[in-house]
Amino acid sequence: EDKVVQSPLSLVVHEGDTVTLNCSYEVTNFRSLLWYKQEKKAPTFLFMLTSSGIEKKSGRLSSILDKKELFSILNITATQTGDSAVYLCAVVVSGTYKYIFGTGTRLKVLA
Amino acid sequence: DAGVTQSPTHLIKTRGQQVTLRCSPKSGHDTVSWYQQALGQGPQFIFQYYEEEERQRGNFPDRFSGHQFPNYSSELNVNALLLGDSALYLCASSWARQETQYFGPGTRLLVL
Repeated sequence: EDKVVQSPLSLVVHEGDTVTLNCSYEVTNFRSLLWYKQEKKAPTFLFMLTSSGIEKKSGRLSSILDKKELFSILNITATQTGDSAVYLCAVVVSGTYKYIFGTGTRLKVLA
Repeated sequence: DAGVTQSPTHLIKTRGQQVTLRCSPKSGHDTVSWYQQALGQGPQFIFQYYEEEERQRGNFPDRFSGHQFPNYSSELNVNALLLGDSALYLCASSWARQETQYFGPGTRLLVL
């Protein structure tokens, strides 16, 4: 069965800290991996990683994909209270239109 | 540029009733997917619609059905509601040939 596992489940840090969120996956046929930030309701898109794009960066956020070891990490440097959210990882299964989400990592950044 | 919109924002129903949720995709998008997100869980894929057809379905019973209209908007119908159907229902839209999905704010359904 296809599955996506995120760790840790929750994390509390102080402003200025650097955090690393993990996403591992087991799917029949990988096509791409997406990261989302969910603050209240609507998840907002952060990054998409594919075989042809295994590293992405935007400001303080960056992400890498390790296709050999079947995982991705999301790094946030110099965290701010506005980074407090649930971070979701989703894998798209090749040959389908199915998106498999992990449970998410709940990040709380304290002032 | 209008993003994905959903209605209603909240809904309370009783067991056995039927509910219809609505979604308008982001401008220019032609594909709509529906997800169920229980408290503390990640979104679970229900189905995806493209060209007014359901082209992929997740592990949900037939009580969950949908429709896509010619203007690409979509409806999710749930029949014979169960307590376990209480969740946040998210709609996401995309272009058919791209994988990046954009989510709406969701409809929170409570079944009593």
